[in-house]
Amino acid sequence: QQQVKQSPQSLIVQKGGISIINCAYENTAFDYFPWYQQFPGKGPALLIAIRPDVSEKKEGRFTISFNKSAKQFSLHIMDSQPGDSATYFCAASTGTYKYIFGTGTRLKVLA
Amino acid sequence: DTAVSQTPKYLVTQMGNDKSIKCEQNLGHDTMYWYKQDSKKFLKIMFSYNNKELIINETVPNRFSPKSPDKAHLNLHINSLELGDSAVYFCASSLRGANEQFFGPGTRLTVL
Repeated sequence: QQQVKQSPQSLIVQKGGISIINCAYENTAFDYFPWYQQFPGKGPALLIAIRPDVSEKKEGRFTISFNKSAKQFSLHIMDSQPGDSATYFCAASTGTYKYIFGTGTRLKVLA
Repeated sequence: DTAVSQTPKYLVTQMGNDKSIKCEQNLGHDTMYWYKQDSKKFLKIMFSYNNKELIINETVPNRFSPKSPDKAHLNLHINSLELGDSAVYFCASSLRGANEQFFGPGTRLTVL
């Protein structure tokens, strides 16, 4: 019940394309769903986050879509750029601040 | 200006040794964490401290002992290092009441 399942494991997208990463969870007590971006040799950095009372959140080229009934959420990167090439992690947490991370998606955007 | 800093960045040591990793944050946060990222990049929480008090302690061997001398520091001491301890260890911090966690640059530990 504490798992967050993330797919795909890796993704290759052409420059200008849309990158889509999906996550699914089981624990309905989760109330915060962040996405983190990690470049090689660096720590994860918060990209965008959503709470379950909202179905979509957009920040620049990054959008989270949230489906509470299906217990799924996804990250969409519009107009993907080579600089977006990184590993992306979804996560879920409750008020205890304990993040449960997905397994990560390695994104490569081809120039 | 680094918000969450860790030392050392790299640590190579022999099996059976004892080592420590230090973490400091200058964000004024009151909650700090240790995460372990394994070779498959899976991130898992190990410990969390709030105002120097342990609030999360996952199923981690007793060989790992965190210490928080004050709100801005959280150190991780590891006794009798084993090959399986090889990983990247990340420190993170947050403010109680706010969900966002800020991560440090990581410490890559290699046990030979």
